[in-house]
Amino acid sequence: KNEVEQSPQNLTAQEGEFITINCSYSVGISALHWLQQHPGGGIVSLFMLSSGKKKHGRLIATINIQEKHSSLHITASHPRDSAVYICAVPKTGNQFYFGTGTSLTVIP
Amino acid sequence: NAGVMQNPRHLVRRRGQEARLRCSPMKGHSHVYWYRQLPEEGLKFMVYLQKENIIDESGMPKERFSAEFPKEGPSILRIQQVVRGDSAAYFCASSATGISGANVLTFGAGSRLTVL
Repeated sequence: KNEVEQSPQNLTAQEGEFITINCSYSVGISALHWLQQHPGGGIVSLFMLSSGKKKHGRLIATINIQEKHSSLHITASHPRDSAVYICAVPKTGNQFYFGTGTSLTVIP
Repeated sequence: NAGVMQNPRHLVRRRGQEARLRCSPMKGHSHVYWYRQLPEEGLKFMVYLQKENIIDESGMPKERFSAEFPKEGPSILRIQQVVRGDSAAYFCASSATGISGANVLTFGAGSRLTVL
């Protein structure tokens, strides 16, 4: 079993739909990261959160430390949101446990 | 602030040649991490460096791979005698302090190595 599990693995949505990507982890953490990898391959750090909720534009990330679960929500999705979304949690030794990613395709 | 700069973005090598990938961390960041992403797979940790020191290389293959972060200049990931299985995207990330804890990690755009 992976230390970080994401679901769904693949997601196709119509433009405008509300999207939720889930991340569950089995290790104790101080913070959780959500990353976005575009089709061109570049990786962008979207959020780093240790409690509660953060919002950037149409993106919202929440975390429940007790339940070891985080969600990434996209409101009013757009084709430019199409990307792979990766959940990552730090581990000892300055490494990360990475989820395998959720591939999102938003259709116009 | 130019962020994390990686070059080259794309590199093609023939089997047996050497590949050198460079990473300039974000200004003010002294911690550098290298990750490899094989086709259809997730990111895998390779090595963590600070200036002139390798802190953790537990993810590095035992042979042919090396990394350095000199006092001056970028961090370099070096792959000697490349094989087809080395074809992957190599990502560099930097942070101001270690990632244990809630520290921001900034990724570069990656370097795509293709071994013919």
